Amino acid sequence: GQQLNQSPQSMFIQEGEDVSMNCTSSSIFNTWLWYKQDPGEGPVLLIALYKAGELTSNGRLTAQFGITRKDSFLNISASIPSDVGIYFCAGVYTGNQFYFGTGTSLTVIP
Amino acid sequence: GAGVSQSPRYKVAKRGQDVALRCDPISGHVSLFWYQQALGQGPEFLTYFQNEAQLDKSGLPSDRFFAERPEGSVSTLKIQRTQQEDSAVYLCASSLGPLREQYFGPGTRLTVT
Repeated sequence: GQQLNQSPQSMFIQEGEDVSMNCTSSSIFNTWLWYKQDPGEGPVLLIALYKAGELTSNGRLTAQFGITRKDSFLNISASIPSDVGIYFCAGVYTGNQFYFGTGTSLTVIP
Repeated sequence: GAGVSQSPRYKVAKRGQDVALRCDPISGHVSLFWYQQALGQGPEFLTYFQNEAQLDKSGLPSDRFFAERPEGSVSTLKIQRTQQEDSAVYLCASSLGPLREQYFGPGTRLTVT
């Protein structure tokens, strides 16, 4: 199945630093979603984006739906240890098939 | 319950056995999705239901896989004659409708020996 390109693949940062990750697709999307997944658990929804150019925040998290509709980014400000996990983007153009990125593994060093 | 639940959480099957995985979506969610997640990868779409209708099963890897949602709520993913390559986490998600945000269950980790 199709997967989105997500970068970076992994990040090691100091507690308190800001984090930025992005997702790109060869196809345009109408919806972008960002998820966090902890080991042994299902993905947890962080932010949903429905319009090109939309910028949405959820606490320390901010995500944007790219103007071209082919990309999205997620920023985390002032990282804390519980931010550790794997972050996935997901997008859909039409119909029902959401395509998921390859994931960004985040490690926060106290 | 408040979220999507799945059972069992873990399943070990011998090659050739049939398995059935259950998903209880969030009450009122008409859309239900099944995904397969291999180790170190993102979830990959298997199939989609709107209410009881299976509208898309293009992601099912073979005819050994089928899913049902007879009353438009609980869904079951069945894998017949399991093979080692079927070992993965199977995730269920539900949403209020197509293109809307999806909420995932904890997954069922299937190991085929």
